[in-house]
Amino acid sequence: QVQLVQSGPEVKKPGASVTVSCKASGYTFTSYGVSWVRQAPGQGLEWMGWISTYNGYTNYAQKLQGRVIMTTDTSTSTAYMELRSLRSDDTAVYYCARRDGDYGYNWFDPWGQGTLVTVSS
Amino acid sequence: SYELTQPPSVSVSPGQTARITCSGDALPKQKGFWYQQKPGQAPVLVMYKDSERPSGIPERFSGSSSGTTVTLTISGVQAEDEADYYCQSADSSDTYKVFGGGTKVTVL
Repeated sequence: QVQLVQSGPEVKKPGASVTVSCKASGYTFTSYGVSWVRQAPGQGLEWMGWISTYNGYTNYAQKLQGRVIMTTDTSTSTAYMELRSLRSDDTAVYYCARRDGDYGYNWFDPWGQGTLVTVSS
Repeated sequence: SYELTQPPSVSVSPGQTARITCSGDALPKQKGFWYQQKPGQAPVLVMYKDSERPSGIPERFSGSSSGTTVTLTISGVQAEDEADYYCQSADSSDTYKVFGGGTKVTVL
């Protein structure tokens, strides 16, 4: 079955960087993009951006541009999200999701299990 | 930045109908998508392209669109439907995706 499995929880100090991985299985990795979404404690969902697994094209949310980098390793069907210059308000659960769609419309299905990133001094 | 507006909460008795709205200026041009999230779990897609139901989602879930509003309807609500529901769409140029603030559905 289609599955996305993410790396484990992280605790980082302010100013540091974190990388979250997302390993896909059950489908052809390069046929679908990967999106990243985060959710601060008790808050709603926030779209962070997406990466094309076919050609590496990326599109990031405006508020994260300059701090986020999304990459993929097609040999292992794994996507990565690096967030730099961490602040306390980056504390959140980070999700990857397969970017599905047709006729120009895109949605997220399925999602990884989530990775808690805690930023604390 | 573009925003989608949802009511914070909806309460409904078992067997009744819950309707969750999502409003946004670009919705006449863009499609709406809905996700269900239960506590401690990842979101699950329950509706795509306004009114298409993914396989495995019960028939009591339906979706519609009218002007600047998309609506998720749960007919014959069951206790297991208690969850947070998020709408998702894109800005008018389809450059950025956006989520609504979420609606907590409580089954009384």
